[in-house]
This record gives sequence, structure tokens and C-alpha cells, in this order.
Amino acid sequence: SQQGEEDPQALSIQEGENATMNCSYKTSINNLQWYRQNSGRGLVHLILIRSNEREKHSGRLRVTLDTSKKSSSLLITASRAADTASYFCATDSGTYKYIFGTGTRLKVLA
Amino acid sequence: SQTIHQWPATLVQPVGSPLSLECTVEGTSNPNLYWYRQAAGRGLQLLFYSVGIGQISSEVPQNLSASRPQDRQFILSSKKLLLSDSGFYLCAWSGFYNEQFFGPGTRLTVL
Repeated sequence: SQQGEEDPQALSIQEGENATMNCSYKTSINNLQWYRQNSGRGLVHLILIRSNEREKHSGRLRVTLDTSKKSSSLLITASRAADTASYFCATDSGTYKYIFGTGTRLKVLA
Repeated sequence: SQTIHQWPATLVQPVGSPLSLECTVEGTSNPNLYWYRQAAGRGLQLLFYSVGIGQISSEVPQNLSASRPQDRQFILSSKKLLLSDSGFYLCAWSGFYNEQFFGPGTRLTVL
């Protein structure tokens, strides 16, 4: 698998449910970021977690990072139809380059 | 506040024609700038990045090139487009914590 691979590839849930998506990576990182992309649009930065952090919250978003397992998870609580989008993780290894995963397509049904 | 512009929004070009996509950033100075390509339903592929005027790093060998003639201007070019150049092209700049801020993208179709 490539750096920053998300799992699952697609997720369909009912409005009000929680959505969890995971990201695995291969090399050591400075930080890991999550982005959202609505269909046909640019990516929007959601949250950044540094390598020395284990958990971070922002509104309905909760991100965890396990550097020993080289994995991260993004939890969206109380999902809304407007959360329907693709979600990507990106790793920053301090080389000006960011490695993006293949994304999780989330569909929230009203 | 900072904003990033890309144009055109959509482009349909014949095989073998030239390409020029432009990206400009406002509200910040000396940003790191990036060009990505996204195939349909896929992740982002880093094409070029630049840490300063005239400084371009290429990540993927291809028939594309990039230039940074001014601090906040980043241009993606090709002399002759291939069918495989079709995709969604995204420009981005990186912030203080290295988070990336993306433009609206250009959808390129090569026929």
C-alpha cells in the first residue's frame, strides 16, 4: 500500500450516525493532516495533528494518531448530509512534500 | 486574508496542443507553492513544488513543466498535451504549520 492510504474506500451512513475513517502510512512524519473534498472542488484543510500528539478535536471532528502503528483515524460525530464528501489524509515528513492518500468517499443519507 | 486563484476552471484541448495553467496567491509572501493532479476518483499526485522564485522541484517525469516568475505566481505548462494529461489540476500553498490551502482547480480534458 502507498503512504497515506485510507480505509474504507467508501462509506455510507445515515444522518446522525458517526463516521470513522482510517489512514495508514509508511514513513516517520512531522504531522498528519486531514482534508475534505466536495465533488469537483478543491481540498479544504480540516485538522492537523503533530507527531507528538495523540488526539485532537475540532468541532464534530476527532482525530487520533498512533505513530507506533503509523495510523490515524478521523471521526465525524453526528454526521449531516453536508458532510458528504471525500476525505483524504496527508503526511508531512518535513521535506516540503505532502503525500496524500487515495481517500474515503463518505455519503451521508438524509 | 489569503486567497488562491486558479484559471481557467475548465479546459478542453486537442492532443498535441500547448497548455498553460495559472495560479496566484494573495495575502501572503514567499509561500511554498504546489501543483497536483488528481485522476477521476483518485488521490492527489504531486507534480511540482516551489520554495521560492525560480526554484522548481519536479516529482514526476512527464511532458509538463512549471515556472514561478513571481513570488505569488505559479504556472503549469506543456508544449504538447497527451491524452494521459487529462485530469483535475490543483494548485496549493502551504501555511505556517505546513497545512495546505488549495485553489478551486482546473479540469483539463485532452481529446
